[in-house]
Amino acid sequence: GEDVEQSLFLSVREGDSSVINCTYTDSSSTYLYWYKQEPGAGLQLLTYIFSNMDMKQDQRLTVLLNKKDKHLSLRIADTQTGDSAIYFCAESMTAGSSNTGKLIFGQGTTLQVKP
Amino acid sequence: DVKVTQSSRYLVKRTGEKVFLECVQDMDHENMFWYRQDPGLGLRLIYFSYDVKMKEKGDIPEGYSVSREKKERFSLILESASTNQTSMYLCASSSPRAGKNGELFFGEGSRLTVL
Repeated sequence: GEDVEQSLFLSVREGDSSVINCTYTDSSSTYLYWYKQEPGAGLQLLTYIFSNMDMKQDQRLTVLLNKKDKHLSLRIADTQTGDSAIYFCAESMTAGSSNTGKLIFGQGTTLQVKP
Repeated sequence: DVKVTQSSRYLVKRTGEKVFLECVQDMDHENMFWYRQDPGLGLRLIYFSYDVKMKEKGDIPEGYSVSREKKERFSLILESASTNQTSMYLCASSSPRAGKNGELFFGEGSRLTVL
């Protein structure tokens, strides 16, 4: 079945770049997402990429999509202590050619930013 | 401001008790979802609904049921709570309409402890 994999933990120093990686299995996913979860809160959409794109940039965030390897990454430039959170990769689940509306989430990567 | 509201942020229940987790959204979304979140496992889909009075099982429905009597409200029911249902429960909603990116909007979560 569909599966999304991420490493569980990443530690960086303030001001460095962070790169969070994710692999997925459903090659027909229409959208891939990055969600952020701050302590004690629900998930909020950080950014997403349409499956026919290779890259998307939004201020300090860069998303790279390699469809051949089914690999998605999120780069945060100039990482700040406020970026400390859990980051979830997710793919949209399809059935045939239709979007089911369901998302499959990875395990979440805890980003620790040291001052 | 769009919102998904979960009625209880924290609950403590005893083994065997019946537990109701309520979720309300104000975005007129057709799709609603219940996930549970556990460390190292990410988010796992329990049940979802595409319309009023409609429900479908997700990946881990055992021990749970749901109710969707009104479009804006989706309830998760634990008929007889067990200690292995201690977890964070997240409700989400989305719209399947054209032009949307399939984004899920999440509530703040309900942390349930079963003693």
